[in-house]
Amino acid sequence: AQKITQTQPGMFVQEKEAVTLDCTYDTSDPSYGLFWYKQPSSGEMIFLIYQGSYDQQNATEGRYSLNFQKARKSANLVISASQLGDSAMYFCAMREGAQGAQKLVFGQGTRLTINP
Amino acid sequence: GAGVSQSPSNKVTEKGKDVELRCDPISGHTALYWYRQSLGQGLEFLIYFQGNSAPDKSGLPSDRFSAERTGGSVSTLTIQRTQQEDSAVYLCASSSRREYNEQFFGPGTRLTVL
Repeated sequence: AQKITQTQPGMFVQEKEAVTLDCTYDTSDPSYGLFWYKQPSSGEMIFLIYQGSYDQQNATEGRYSLNFQKARKSANLVISASQLGDSAMYFCAMREGAQGAQKLVFGQGTRLTINP
Repeated sequence: GAGVSQSPSNKVTEKGKDVELRCDPISGHTALYWYRQSLGQGLEFLIYFQGNSAPDKSGLPSDRFSAERTGGSVSTLTIQRTQQEDSAVYLCASSSRREYNEQFFGPGTRLTVL
């Protein structure tokens, strides 16, 4: 079974609109972390936001917020007031186990295109 | 400060040749990771090193792949007898024991096997 599922291969959004990128995950470990990364066409991986499995509140970082629904095992990324520079691939990833050096498991990504 | 660096940025090789890819992590980061990204795909974990502990090699796809980390810093990923399916971008990341273990990625090495 896929550990991380991103069901939207591509999304097209008008500039200044909000956009939600979906991510569902599968784990039996009670301790885990969820990450979102942005990968522009230049190829670098840019960390956006993190949510720990025991965090009580949804994570927020500027225009990024994470809609964490633990019972549904979903961790959707919400980008408010989208900008042309938000066009990129977006990857959801999970770390299983307690904090520390652990590998990340990535989804297949969603390609987001912001239209002017 | 300096981020994660990787060299070379591009490598073209012939099938059957050996290649070495280098990663310089952020100074002071104790953990180092290698991932592989095939065209249009997500990242696939290969191996990680944490301090002096034995590396987690569970993601290496075959015994043609190996990696070492010298002095707890620089790492080299070696692919022996390269095959065309090895063509991908190889990404290195490092992390410290921060609260949530954010991994900082390098720019990657694009490997093309002809």
